[in-house]
Amino acid sequence: NAGVTQTPKFQVLKTGQSMTLQCAQDMNHNSMYWYRQDPGMGLRLIYYSASEGTTDKGEVPNGYNVSRLNKREFSLRLESAAPSQTSVYFCASSELTGTEAFFGQGTRLTVV
Amino acid sequence: KNEVEQSPQNLTAQEGEFITINCSYSVGISALHWLQQHPGGGIVSLFMLSSGKKKHGRLIATINIQEKHSSLHITASHPRDSAVYICAVSGNNDMRFGAGTRLTVKP
Repeated sequence: NAGVTQTPKFQVLKTGQSMTLQCAQDMNHNSMYWYRQDPGMGLRLIYYSASEGTTDKGEVPNGYNVSRLNKREFSLRLESAAPSQTSVYFCASSELTGTEAFFGQGTRLTVV
Repeated sequence: KNEVEQSPQNLTAQEGEFITINCSYSVGISALHWLQQHPGGGIVSLFMLSSGKKKHGRLIATINIQEKHSSLHITASHPRDSAVYICAVSGNNDMRFGAGTRLTVKP
């Protein structure tokens, strides 16, 4: 099993550009999450999807949008990238919210 | 103040030493998680616990719900244990994370 797969692994964007981070899981999990990780801070929740067809804002949603395309896939979109969005992004999934989470390998995004 | 506080932030040990990492939280939780993040960046779940104690190989995790405190212990530490250890708590629909403890085990 691949678990949680994120693409791309690295990305450099210019300010104002848009991009979509892709995430897919093959564990038939109901819940999926997008986090960002910044130096000296814990992972912070951007958006989550408790089940297929639902999405909700997390702690730091501004500047991001998400789509739960189907049960497997949960994408994160930056419509107009800003340097403050330079970070490492992690996708995760769990059977239900609050249960053991499985993480993707992360996407290192730099906005210049 | 963060909802999840870990100590120490950084820890250096000699191979073979007993390691303890602490986590305190200030919110109601359904479970507490210990995660490991290796230098390559990937994050793996080590434990999920809601009471008592769990053991997996050389790793032991304990939780005291009344005191809102958890510890992660590593016995007979090894250089391959070098990583960032993250405490997280799950509650209403999400997880809240500590900033992590960077452990370096020297041979």
